[in-house]
Amino acid sequence: GEKVEQHQSTLSVREGDSAVINCTYTDTASSYFPWYKQEAGKSLHFVIDIRSNVDRKQSQRLTVLLDKKAKRFSLHITATQPEDSAIYFCAASISNRIFFGDGTQLVVKP
Amino acid sequence: DPKIIQKPKYLVAVTGSEKILICEQYLGHNAMYWYRQSAKKPLEFMFSYSYQKLMDNQTASSRFQPQSSKKNHLDLQITALKPDDSATYFCASSQVRQGSEVFFGKGTRLTVV
Repeated sequence: GEKVEQHQSTLSVREGDSAVINCTYTDTASSYFPWYKQEAGKSLHFVIDIRSNVDRKQSQRLTVLLDKKAKRFSLHITATQPEDSAIYFCAASISNRIFFGDGTQLVVKP
Repeated sequence: DPKIIQKPKYLVAVTGSEKILICEQYLGHNAMYWYRQSAKKPLEFMFSYSYQKLMDNQTASSRFQPQSSKKNHLDLQITALKPDDSATYFCASSQVRQGSEVFFGKGTRLTVV
């Protein structure tokens, strides 16, 4: 089955700096890659996604890059704000099954 | 106004007992899922249903049984509860088509003592 890895368990940045969260996946059949944000004690909220027919997608301060050859994708957050602090989960989807990474705790320090 | 309702929010159960976690969605979706989140496995896929039929089961134990009495319901029955079952259980839903955004409920936090 698909295995998604997030190698950074924690990422700490200063407010205003950029943050990059990296993920890898194993199954070349994965074609949809969503990202979710989870604030402390709360549920998961969708933030951005990318499909395998493109290699870049931007939405305001968020950009997702996809390298299908390397089976790697990443979330870039520019001009970070304290409210960006949360756990971010990357995921890969095959046939409506979504497999999540273990999450990266992003801490934005004022 | 939550569109995916999970009940109860918190649940404490005794080892060996049986509990049912309730999930209802009002998004008009035909695919529903259960995920489990614990310290050991941050976010683990359990089941997927499409049009009330089981599509995928990634849970090794038969103690976990999803039940879909209506197309917008997917409850989770857990029997012979063990302390290791302690986790937050998230229900989710989406459109059936590949690449549809998945929406999550607020979760049921289960503690087995």
